[in-house]
Order: sequence, then structure tokens, then C-alpha cells
Amino acid sequence: KAGVTQTPRYLIKTRGQQVTLSCSPISGHRSVSWYQQTPGQGLQFLFEYFSETQRNKGNFPGRFSGRQFSNSRSEMNVSTLELGDSALYLCASSQGVSLLSDTQYFGPGTRLTVL
Amino acid sequence: KQEVTQIPAALSVPEGENLVLNCSFTDSAIYNLQWFRQDPGKGLTSLLLIQSSQREQTSGRLNASLDKSSGRSTLYIAASQPGDSATYLCAVNAGNNRKLIWGLGTSLAVNP
Repeated sequence: KAGVTQTPRYLIKTRGQQVTLSCSPISGHRSVSWYQQTPGQGLQFLFEYFSETQRNKGNFPGRFSGRQFSNSRSEMNVSTLELGDSALYLCASSQGVSLLSDTQYFGPGTRLTVL
Repeated sequence: KQEVTQIPAALSVPEGENLVLNCSFTDSAIYNLQWFRQDPGKGLTSLLLIQSSQREQTSGRLNASLDKSSGRSTLYIAASQPGDSATYLCAVNAGNNRKLIWGLGTSLAVNP
């Protein structure tokens, strides 16, 4: 079974631009979650999509948005990029049945650099 | 507010040593605690998950313990190997495993 894939793997943008990141979950998984990882803050939860609906949301500004398609693939968009948005963006998929303890499988991440 | 701290931030050991990574958390009201491994370019891999009612979990050369009352967990790695070099993260689940509270990790280097 193929793992979680994320594209692109590396991205360089300038302040004010917008960016779209893509995540393809493991086949059969209906939940996709997005995380931001920075050296100072560590991993922080952005949001989760389950069956095309946002089910959970972290504490990020509205510049961060996402969506999920009927095939469970998900995209994350960041508008009006700021220098502080430079980070590793990780996507994780799971079957999504239980929010308590279902296993999440992480992708390799997209490294975003904002200049 | 739950906070998770990992000490040390970095560790370098010779091959074959037994080692302990530490994770502390401020609120004992947890559902479970997980240890992950992060390799550059490969994402995160779940190593061990300890439910709040458990004291420890073992997988191969890895053993994780949990002491809720003191807010501590340790990851013990026996007979370390160069392939163990990675960043180890602990994460606390307070009831929603999407909103895990993560430590900043311990970067481990095992030298041949």
C-alpha cells in the first residue's frame, strides 16, 4: 500500500504570495490532517478534513485554509505569505473513525521557505 | 494549558550504548502519550503509544514508560545503533488525537 504523499516537497515563495500544498492519503483513509512544524514552536495542528468537511481546527489565522476532495485528497492554501510561515508542513492520514486514538500516518512534508 | 518538554534537545552517543530520552508534561489529564521518530525527508513514524492506564510499552529495543502523577515519560533505547539516529518526539493526547500537544524533540546521533 502506498504511503502518504505530499507535493511539492520543496517550495520557495516571496512575502505576499499565496501557495497551495497537496496531500494524497493512504488508499481508504478518509481523514487528512495538516500540521505546521517550526524549530521554535514544534508541531502545531492546523486543521483536519473528514469526508470533505472540516472536522477540527487549530489556532491559525484565516490565511490558512484547506479543502478535501471526494477522493480524500486534500489541499492546503496559505494566502498573503509572511516570513513566519516558513516551515515544514506535514500531512497525516487516518481512517478517521475515532478521534481518540486512530493511528495517523504522516507524509514526508513540504518544506516552504518564504523570502 | 498543557505543555510538553523534552530533555535533552540533542544527544550524541557511541554505538552500543543504552540511552534514555525524557518527556515531561504539565497536566496529568491525558488520554495517551505517543513517541514518534522523525527522519529527514521521511515524515513521522509512530513508535510506541501508552494509554493513560498503562505504565509501559515495549517494542523490540524500545521501552516507553509513563508516570502520570509526576507528568513524566521516558523512552529507553537499548544497544543503540547508527540507524537509530533521528529526532524523537513525544506527544500528549488529551482526548483528541488531532490536537496532540507536541514536545520539540530530542535529536539523537549514534556514532559508529
